[in-house]
Amino acid sequence: DVKVTQSSRYLVKRTGEKVFLECVQDMDHENMFWYRQDPGLGLRLIYFSYDVKMKEKGDIPEGYSVSREKKERFSLILESASTNQTSMYLCASIRGSYNSPLHFGNGTRLTVT
Amino acid sequence: DQQVKQNSPSLSVQEGRISILNCDYTNSMFDYFLWYKKYPAEGPTFLISISSIKDKNEDGRFTVFLNKSAKHLSLHIVPSQPGDSAVYFCAAFAGKLIFGQGTTLQVKP
Repeated sequence: DVKVTQSSRYLVKRTGEKVFLECVQDMDHENMFWYRQDPGLGLRLIYFSYDVKMKEKGDIPEGYSVSREKKERFSLILESASTNQTSMYLCASIRGSYNSPLHFGNGTRLTVT
Repeated sequence: DQQVKQNSPSLSVQEGRISILNCDYTNSMFDYFLWYKKYPAEGPTFLISISSIKDKNEDGRFTVFLNKSAKHLSLHIVPSQPGDSAVYFCAAFAGKLIFGQGTTLQVKP
């Protein structure tokens, strides 16, 4: 069974801090994704990666960057956290085509004060 | 512009009855649709999908219907169980996956 692990369930950070959200998957999936979930807005794609060191912007990349140095690990970076980045962050992975079902981690609830 | 819309934020049904969750889309290029279920403090899990070449797909208590002319899909859960209480997201694919806003289903015992 695929396991996608997000290192933190809850994080509280201050405005202006640099924040790292880590995600690891154990099924050798090529494709990894970062979404944020907000009430009334559903899941919105921030960034995705289809291979090591490769990344593509999603629908809302502003204020974020990503790193994929190893196939199993995909990190989301908030360069300077702001209060409007308070959200639930979800990492996901798939093998193969992008219409395959996503395997999600349990999410990181980030609060920026 | 919201390409995938779930216009009902919440739905409440009695245990044993049918739950119908609806989803509308605007992009006729979508060729694959999926439903995900999300419990609090967990990530979404895949539930059921349908290709645009079909109009119905069934998996146990879950059936997804697709009406391409109306750009509408629905998820039917029969019979509904309290454990089905969750947030349900529909998603549509056209090169990338677009999610709806989600509908919170509550199944009352």
